[in-house]
Amino acid sequence: DQQVKQNSPSLSVQEGRISILNCDYTNSMFDYFLWYKKYPAEGPTFLISISSIKDKNEDGRFTVFLNKSAKHLSLHIVPSQPGDSAVYFCAASEGDDKIIFGKGTRLHILP
Amino acid sequence: DAGVTQSPTHLIKTRGQQVTLRCSPKSGHDTVSWYQQALGQGPQFIFQYYEEEERQRGNFPDRFSGHQFPNYSSELNVNALLLGDSALYLCASSSRANEQFFGPGTRLTVL
Repeated sequence: DQQVKQNSPSLSVQEGRISILNCDYTNSMFDYFLWYKKYPAEGPTFLISISSIKDKNEDGRFTVFLNKSAKHLSLHIVPSQPGDSAVYFCAASEGDDKIIFGKGTRLHILP
Repeated sequence: DAGVTQSPTHLIKTRGQQVTLRCSPKSGHDTVSWYQQALGQGPQFIFQYYEEEERQRGNFPDRFSGHQFPNYSSELNVNALLLGDSALYLCASSSRANEQFFGPGTRLTVL
């Protein structure tokens, strides 16, 4: 039973355009959400997070939106750059409990 | 700051053998979590150590055990290896916050 779902295994976006990565969750007790980025042969790198008391968090080119009623969050990257090509993991936790990861979405930025 | 380090980088074992993986946390971090990432999947939580004790555990059999030392470094032990244990094993450290910093992982292949 997947509590965090990333339904798009891959996504291709033109350089300079907006990349939108989506994530759905089933556990309404999750109160903290994170996005990680992973390059081959490296561990996941923390990108951005959002608490359940907010609906938006922005950090430079990265913005995360949270829709609690729909149990949905999304990561927007604008403008997309070649170095953004990686696997992106959505993750969630409840309090200090363990972090649950989705299966990831592979983002390809096209020249 | 060296960040989270893991050893070895790669490991090949045969079924039935035992393996020990090692992790040194990021400076200032006292909590270590271990994850298993199978091919095409997101990281799955194995367990977390804090103050040399297992604080939380995911859905993994008792063949998976761990230890945390006074200097906060940690080991993951897997006994009676199965083919299905082949995966990337990730260590993450934190300071009791949600944000975890990951190491590059140990790639375990069981033949």
